[in-house]
Amino acid sequence: QVQLQESGPGLVKPSETLSLTCAVSGYAISSGYYWGWIRQPPGKGLEWIGSIYHNGNTYYNSSLKSRVTISVDTSKNQFSLKMNSVTAADTAVYYCARDVGVRGEFHFWGQGTVVTVSS
Amino acid sequence: QSALTQPPSASGSPGQSVTISCTGTSSDVGGYNYVSWYQQHPDKAPKLMIYEVSKRPSGVPDRFSGSKSANTASLTVSGLQAEDEADYFCTSYAGSNNRVVFGGGTKLTVL
Repeated sequence: QVQLQESGPGLVKPSETLSLTCAVSGYAISSGYYWGWIRQPPGKGLEWIGSIYHNGNTYYNSSLKSRVTISVDTSKNQFSLKMNSVTAADTAVYYCARDVGVRGEFHFWGQGTVVTVSS
Repeated sequence: QSALTQPPSASGSPGQSVTISCTGTSSDVGGYNYVSWYQQHPDKAPKLMIYEVSKRPSGVPDRFSGSKSANTASLTVSGLQAEDEADYFCTSYAGSNNRVVFGGGTKLTVL
């Protein structure tokens, strides 16, 4: 069974960079599929941040593209999210998920990690 | 404001059926057969219930069904059960420019 687990700081200061990692078990990232990040602000809906293929090809939400970088490390079977210049509006639960074709189809999800942007 | 429009709430009694709509445009819902639906219980990760408009992943009860007409997709939950009470989100492929868009979510209450 595919399992994903997010990790990273739960508190980030405004204007700094948010960094999260998603460790994958039960499936080798190098075998295929896309791998995505989705977030959910408190009490609000879901927002796709971006996805990456095992070969490093990336796809980003156009509204976040200027601040986001997603990378993959197949040797560690994990992928990562970096978001710079964060503000309070970036406070959210951040989920990683296995993505089928970058079309909104996420079959496996991590449990989510809360990131708060505050000084 | 979400790209796809869902009603904020829906409700039904146990055993009844309820349908949740998800309205987009010809650039997303209407243009592709890549609509997915997610169920989310409080403080839990979303769970995929429907993909490619009407397909169910293994383990999802056949009480859950999906359909699409023009720019509106729908999720129908038949034979409502207490455990169906949750938030439901739709998503669609939106083309090569901004590939994935979500609806704002619908809170389903089982009366």
